[in-house]
Amino acid sequence: RKEVEQDPGPFNVPEGATVAFNCTYSNSASQSFFWYRQDCRKEPKLLMSVYSSGNEDGRFTAQLNRASQYISLLIRDSKLSDSATYLCVVNMGTGGGNKLTFGTGTQLKVEL
Amino acid sequence: DVKVTQSSRYLVKRTGEKVFLECVQDMDHENMFWYRQDPGLGLRLIYFSYDVKMKEKGDIPEGYSVSREKKERFSLILESASTNQTSMYLCASPPGTGATGELFFGEGSRLTVL
Repeated sequence: RKEVEQDPGPFNVPEGATVAFNCTYSNSASQSFFWYRQDCRKEPKLLMSVYSSGNEDGRFTAQLNRASQYISLLIRDSKLSDSATYLCVVNMGTGGGNKLTFGTGTQLKVEL
Repeated sequence: DVKVTQSSRYLVKRTGEKVFLECVQDMDHENMFWYRQDPGLGLRLIYFSYDVKMKEKGDIPEGYSVSREKKERFSLILESASTNQTSMYLCASPPGTGATGELFFGEGSRLTVL
């Protein structure tokens, strides 16, 4: 079983739609969680951290379910510019990038 | 604006050649990382360094070595390139210990080994 699993997609949605991605992780001792965004042929960039209580940043909402070991990302009112691959990232240590484990990513395509 | 720079965006090498991938960061960060990214496999950690002349193996170090002679520079070396090392290589550096989960990546070096 992969340490971090994501549905690769692609998710093809019309502009304005709401779309949600899930990600599961295997290590129950995982400490912190993140979503990264990667545009085609570009480097990944941090989108947002995921807090235990859930958190929102504009149209983006991230949630964590420790009991079921999954995190989610909800995008409301999708824009064409949201088209990208979204990487789920789990920090399985107490600190340090050396413990970051990346999912393979979920591809989102927002269409007119 | 933070900057991680990888010297070569695209390289084509032959099997058996020695390959150097250079990475420079201008943020005075302690930690630096080398990943490779492959379709269906995601990003996998090759090596990392938390200080000058210090290095630690990541998840897939076989076939690679690294060098960190100066704080700002972290080099990935393929002693004898093989076709299975064809990949996108990404250098990254976190602020502080990296506990925030934020990694600043370079633009990547796409290596093709023929």
